[in-house]
Amino acid sequence: AQSVTQLGSHVSVSEGALVLLRCNYSSSVPPYLFWYVQYPNQGLQLLLKYTSAATLVKGINGFEAEFKKSETSFHLTKPSAHMSDAAEYFCAVTAGGANNLFFGTGTRLTVIP
Amino acid sequence: NAGVTQTPKFQVLKTGQSMTLQCAQDMNHNSMYWYRQDPGMGLRLIYYSASEGTTDKGEVPNGYNVSRLNKREFSLRLESAAPSQTSVYFCASSDVTGGVTDTQYFGPGTRLTVL
Repeated sequence: AQSVTQLGSHVSVSEGALVLLRCNYSSSVPPYLFWYVQYPNQGLQLLLKYTSAATLVKGINGFEAEFKKSETSFHLTKPSAHMSDAAEYFCAVTAGGANNLFFGTGTRLTVIP
Repeated sequence: NAGVTQTPKFQVLKTGQSMTLQCAQDMNHNSMYWYRQDPGMGLRLIYYSASEGTTDKGEVPNGYNVSRLNKREFSLRLESAAPSQTSVYFCASSDVTGGVTDTQYFGPGTRLTVL
């Protein structure tokens, strides 16, 4: 079965610094990989989605993620953190069927001014 | 398009009371889901509905029931609320493309407290 692991439940970065949030999926190559963002007191919204068309995926708000099959990873990055990036980020992987979207436990990003 | 809407936004119940959380989507999606979110535990699937007229249990179904009223609406019912059901509840919907669950779209959530 598919699963995802997010390393680090909390990450703190300074404003303007690189953001790196880690996600690893289980060994079989999934059809889709997602990153979602959740701002305080809101629902989850899609940040970006990998569909095998390209290994580097660009999302909203300057975020991007690179699919690396050899490392079974799909890490999320942003070159320069902004205060508005403070939120919780979830990695998710899908498999076949209508009930096969699996979420990681989330990483809370704090941006220090 | 409103996307996925949920009512109510907040609710406080006493132990043993019942309530129904409502969810509706206007994206013509076949699949709908109910999750609960608790600190440090991420999202846990309660029930899902792959299509109108079908529902199935997720990871944590005990204490809940669901109804897929039509393609748009999917409700979650707590028959006898317990303090362990204090949580934030999210409804989501998605398409299944080529047999694979595609992007899920989430509602704003219902914050439920059971005293």
